[in-house]
Amino acid sequence: DSGVTQTPKHLITATGQRVTLRCSPRSGDLSVYWYQQSLDQGLQFLIQYYNGEERAKGNILERFSAQQFPDLHSELNLSSLELGDSALYFCASSQGAGEGETQYFGPGTRLLVL
Amino acid sequence: EDQVTQSPEALRLQEGESSSLNCSYTVSGLRGLFWYRQDPGKGPEFLFTLYSAGEEKEKERLKATLTKKESFLHITAPKPEDSATYLCALKGGSQGNLIFGKGTKLSVKP
Repeated sequence: DSGVTQTPKHLITATGQRVTLRCSPRSGDLSVYWYQQSLDQGLQFLIQYYNGEERAKGNILERFSAQQFPDLHSELNLSSLELGDSALYFCASSQGAGEGETQYFGPGTRLLVL
Repeated sequence: EDQVTQSPEALRLQEGESSSLNCSYTVSGLRGLFWYRQDPGKGPEFLFTLYSAGEEKEKERLKATLTKKESFLHITAPKPEDSATYLCALKGGSQGNLIFGKGTKLSVKP
C-alpha cells in the first residue's frame, strides 16, 4: 500500500459525458501528478500540481482539467468523453516539487467510455 | 528529447533462471532513474531509484545498475511471484514528471 488513494476504482460512462476522478496524496506529500495508461501508449504524464499550484503540463487534452485543493487532494475532470479516453488513470504523489524524488502511485481508476 | 527504451518487450523464464532487463535512455541532465513493478490492473510499485553512473541497489532477488546510457534490472533465481511488468522511468530537465518506457512483461514459470 503506497498511501495514495484514488476513487472511484472503476467508472463506466457514455461518450459526451463528464467525469471526475479523485486522488488523495500520501501524508506530507505536496505534489500530485496525473498519468494516463492505455494499452498502446504506456504511461503518459498529464499534469502536476504542487501545493495547490499547477507546476507542469504534459500531454493533457483541452477537454481535461485538474485542480489541487487546500487539503492537497486533487481532482481530474474529463469532459466530452470519447471512446479513446478509455484507459487507466493514475495519480502519484511526492514530497517536494520533483527534484529527483520518488513518486508513489495510487491504485488507479479504470475508465471505460461506451 | 528525453527518451526511454526498454527491452525485451516480453521475457519468459523458468523458475530459477536468472536474467536481465534493459533500459536505454537519452536525457539532458539525469535527475533520477526509477524502476517500478506493475501487476495487471494495479498501480506501479516503486522498486529503486538510481542517481549516478556506477550506482547499484539490491532488494531480495532484484539488483538495479546504472551506466551513462543504460540501466539493468538483474533478476537472480526468479520465482513465479516475480511475474509482472517492470517499468523504467527517468526524470530529467526542469520538469518533475517521470518519462516511462513501455515496460518488460516478465513471466516466470514453475
